[in-house]
Amino acid sequence: DVKVTQSSRYLVKRTGEKVFLECVQDMDHENMFWYRQDPGLGLRLIYFSYDVKMKEKGDIPEGYSVSREKKERFSLILESASTNQTSMYLCASSSGDTYNEQFFGPGTRLTVL
Amino acid sequence: AQSVTQLDSHVSVSEGTPVLLRCNYSSSYSPSLFWYVQHPNKGLQLLLKYTSAATLVKGINGFEAEFKKSETSFHLTKPSAHMSDAAEYFCVVVAYTGKLIFGQGTTLQVKP
Repeated sequence: DVKVTQSSRYLVKRTGEKVFLECVQDMDHENMFWYRQDPGLGLRLIYFSYDVKMKEKGDIPEGYSVSREKKERFSLILESASTNQTSMYLCASSSGDTYNEQFFGPGTRLTVL
Repeated sequence: AQSVTQLDSHVSVSEGTPVLLRCNYSSSYSPSLFWYVQHPNKGLQLLLKYTSAATLVKGINGFEAEFKKSETSFHLTKPSAHMSDAAEYFCVVVAYTGKLIFGQGTTLQVKP
């Protein structure tokens, strides 16, 4: 079974802090994604990556950056956390063709105070 | 541009009765469509997917969905709800870029 793990289930940070969210997948998938999930808005794509050291902006990249130094690991970075970044963050991965199923991690619920 | 609309934010059914979760899509070409389910405190799991083969798609846990091009719909159904079906359900259209576009989600409540 594909397994996507995220470093924290719950995280509480202060406004202005730098925040790192880590995601690791164990199935050698080429593609990795970061989404945020907010009530009534579904999931919105922040950034994605098709290969190591490669990144593409999604629909809501402002205030975020990413890093992919190894194939299995994709990090989301909040350079200076703000209260409007309080949300559930979901990582996903998929193989080859992007029309394939994406496999999701359990999510990190981030609260910025 | 592709988009997807889930017509109900909340659906409540009694255990043993049918489930209908409605989804309409907009696409300038024949799309690929998914349904995902998210149980409380869990990640999203793929229920089923349509990729231009049979229009009636069967998924896990007794769910199925029918692709209707004339109605631009991809409604999710199950003949008999179980308590374990209580979750949030997302309809997804695959954009021409390969990105997934999610609907707003439908929360399914199952009453005993």
